[in-house]
Amino acid sequence: DAGVTQSPTHLIKTRGQQVTLRCSPKSGHDTVSWYQQALGQGPQFIFQYYEEEERQRGNFPDRFSGHQFPNYSSELNVNALLLGDSALYLCASSDGTATGELFFGEGSRLTVL
Amino acid sequence: AQSVTQPDIHITVSEGASLELRCNYSYGATPYLFWYVQSPGQGLQLLLKYFSGDTLVQGIKGFEAEFKRSQSSFNLRKPSVHWSDAAEYFCAVAASGTYKYIFGTGTRLKVLA
Repeated sequence: DAGVTQSPTHLIKTRGQQVTLRCSPKSGHDTVSWYQQALGQGPQFIFQYYEEEERQRGNFPDRFSGHQFPNYSSELNVNALLLGDSALYLCASSDGTATGELFFGEGSRLTVL
Repeated sequence: AQSVTQPDIHITVSEGASLELRCNYSYGATPYLFWYVQSPGQGLQLLLKYFSGDTLVQGIKGFEAEFKRSQSSFNLRKPSVHWSDAAEYFCAVAASGTYKYIFGTGTRLKVLA
């Protein structure tokens, strides 16, 4: 049973560029959440997608957007990259209930130069 | 607003010694509480969770945690630490009816042989 898979694992971008990160949820899960983990910090909630809609959003600017596809996979897009966007981006899937356990992928490490 | 505090940034213990990692939360009602572990280059793995009921929760890998409402705490314990427990540990809280987890800044555990 494949767990949560994310791609790419590492990438380097320059300021002002745009990036797309991808996530495939664990089999049987229909909900995907995205978190940003800066160096030395805990993960911070970006947003959650359920039934192809953004269900809840954290305190992130509109430069951060997402999408969920009919097969429940998801993308995170970040526009106009800033140096401060350098972080590990974690995708987590769950069964969509409020008490459903989050299963995390290994993350995509983004470096912005 | 909800928040999570992990007062200890780093903890070093000898293999075989007992361990307690502290977590304090701020939330008006009874929250959902979690402990996750993150090994280098890995995603987060759930150790245990508390939603309601018995305030002493057993988790995987021999870990347990106790919910103390009067102290707003959810400390993680293990009676005998193994070298493989060296990792970063995150406490998280989620409010009832929300899908957003709020993580603490983590405690990095070092285990001495």
